[in-house]
Parts: sequence; structure tokens; C-alpha cells
Amino acid sequence: GAVVSQHPSRVICKSGTSVKIECRSLDFQATTMFWYRQFPKQSLMLMATSNEGSKATYEQGVEKDKFLINHASLTLSTLTVTSAHPEDSSFYICSARVGRVRGGTEAFFGQGTRLTVV
Amino acid sequence: GESVGLHLPTLSVQEGDNSIINCAYSNSASDYFIWYKQESGKGPQFIIDIRSNMDKRQGQRVTVLLNKTVKHLSLQIAATQPGDSAVYFCAERTDSWGKLQFGAGTQVVVTP
Repeated sequence: GAVVSQHPSRVICKSGTSVKIECRSLDFQATTMFWYRQFPKQSLMLMATSNEGSKATYEQGVEKDKFLINHASLTLSTLTVTSAHPEDSSFYICSARVGRVRGGTEAFFGQGTRLTVV
Repeated sequence: GESVGLHLPTLSVQEGDNSIINCAYSNSASDYFIWYKQESGKGPQFIIDIRSNMDKRQGQRVTVLLNKTVKHLSLQIAATQPGDSAVYFCAERTDSWGKLQFGAGTQVVVTP
């Protein structure tokens, strides 16, 4: 299957600083990427959908000025957590898919990034 | 399984037995469903999928059943192995861009 790589896998940052997480599709071009957040013992919650070359679409309740998403190329999307606070500590996961095809095209997930804000 | 605060529903299964994991989905217009396996500290791993025009699909040791009447999805794992211990999520695709809505998840613990 296709490979999606996230970097870094773990990051610890100080409260008030910003952190950038990268999501790369290694062997395919991803027109659409998704960013999820997952708290311990909970499910994945979609934060935003990003399409290459256009602004991201954020889910209700997700602050777009706090979670900056850039999808500048067909193989790279970045999530920047700005002015991070301890409550932003979470597991962030990206996924990527090709095209806009109905009927069975799966999304490929990255390995996730564990963010800890101290 | 339903989400109960911060506690994932847990299914304990003896090694070699069959496992059945259940999921209720919310959107009757969803046309595509996927089961994922997530091990601790890792991203979700695709297991099997099914389209809304089907009611059953089989893979290697896994079977997914879809009941659209009651909006219910199940995953059956045959001859459960220790390596099957993980959290299992169902997901439904809610738009043509591939946006997925995940269920609450079920923790599967395989005992020897």
C-alpha cells in the first residue's frame, strides 16, 4: 500500500511556542489530506481537510488561527500548532488520499505525532 | 461500541476463539465503511472495507457485515491471535472527498 510519513513522531515543546508537524505522501500524489487529533482512550476527531493549493476546511470548533494548515504541494501538508498550551497535548495523525473518487479509495494514515506541551 | 467517557469498551477474547466487534454508524447516506486497527502509539492500519451496496465482505481471517437497515457494522476476526490485540475503529465516509467519521473504538485483548 501507499506510504504516508509524519515527522516528528514525538515532540515536546514549551508552553507558548509553536510546533510544526509534517505529513508526506512518499509514493503517490495526495490531492487531499486530513488532520486528526486523538486524546488518550478516545477516537480520532477530524480537525481539517486540506486540498492542495487551496485553504483548508476546518471542522466546527477547531480554531483555524491556532492550527495552521498548509498544503503547498501534492506530497506535503503541514500542521502548525501556534502558541501551544498543555491542553493541546495530544496525538496528531494525518491521512492522505488520491483524487476525488467515490467508491472505495482508501485513505492512508501516517504513524502519528505525539505532542507534549510543558 | 459506544463511547463511555474516557473508557474504551473492551472485548476480552481467548486465543484461538473468534472475535466480533460491533459498531453503530450515524449517517444513512454514508456509502463506504472501513475497519481500522490501531496499536498503541501508531496510526490506524487499514483492515477491510465495504461499500454500501454490499452486506458482507471477507478478507483473510476477517469478515465485515453491514446492516443498513439498523445502521450497524461488525467485524469478525477468526481464530484470534495475540497480535490482534489492539483498538479497532469503524469509520464511515461522509463525503466524496473522503472525509471519515470514526466510531468510538473497541479495545480487543487477546488472552492466552
